[in-house]
Amino acid sequence: GAVVSQHPSWVICKSGTSVKIECRSLDFQATTMFWYRQFPKQSLMLMATSNEGSKATYEQGVEKDKFLINHASLTLSTLTVTSAHPEDSSFYICSARRDLNSPLHFGNGTRLTVT
Amino acid sequence: QKEVEQDPGPLSVPEGAIVSLNCTYSNSAFQYFMWYRQYSRKGPELLMYTYSSGNKEDGRFTAQVDKSSKYISLFIRDSQPSDSATYLCAMSAGNQFYFGTGTSLTVIP
Repeated sequence: GAVVSQHPSWVICKSGTSVKIECRSLDFQATTMFWYRQFPKQSLMLMATSNEGSKATYEQGVEKDKFLINHASLTLSTLTVTSAHPEDSSFYICSARRDLNSPLHFGNGTRLTVT
Repeated sequence: QKEVEQDPGPLSVPEGAIVSLNCTYSNSAFQYFMWYRQYSRKGPELLMYTYSSGNKEDGRFTAQVDKSSKYISLFIRDSQPSDSATYLCAMSAGNQFYFGTGTSLTVIP
C-alpha cells in the first residue's frame, strides 16, 4: 500500500520560534500534497494544497506567510510554522495522492504544542 | 447545507455486531468515495476506495455507494474491539476532497 511518512510526530516549541514538519511519500510519487489541521473531536480542516515545483494554494483564512509550504520534489513537502504562538498548537496532518484517480494517503500527524 | 453529512455518533456496539456507517452528500460531481479509519492521535488510514455505484468488499468491510440517492455506507461485519475508532467518509471531484465530520465507534468486548 501507499505509505506517507510525517516527521516529527510531536514537537514542543517556545512562542516566537519556527517549526518545520516534513511529509514524505515513501513508495510513490505524489503529484499533489495536502496539509490539514485538526482540532480535538473535529474533522480535517484543509490548510493548503501543493503541487511539486509550484507555489501552494492556501485556503481562505490561512496565512501563507505564517504557514510556509514547500513542495521541493515529488516525494517531499514541508510545512514551516513561523513565529509560532500558543494558538497554533494543534494536530497537523499531511496527505498525498499519486494522481487525480488516486485516493489520499495520510501521514500519522504532528502534534504541535507552543508554550 | 454541508457538502457531506455524517452522523457523528457516538456509536457503541457489542463485539461481533454488524456496524453500519453512513454519509449523504449533495454534489453530484463527486466521482470517488472513500472511507478512512482514524485512531486517536493518528492520521486517517484508508479503508475503502470506490468509484462507481454498487458494493465493494474487503475482508470484514463492505463499502456501498448509491449515486442516485447520494448516499454511501460502510458495513463492518463481526466487529472487534480493535475497530474502535473514528470513521471518516470522504468524496472527491478533481483535486477537491470533502470529508464528513466522522463517526466515533466503540466496540465493547
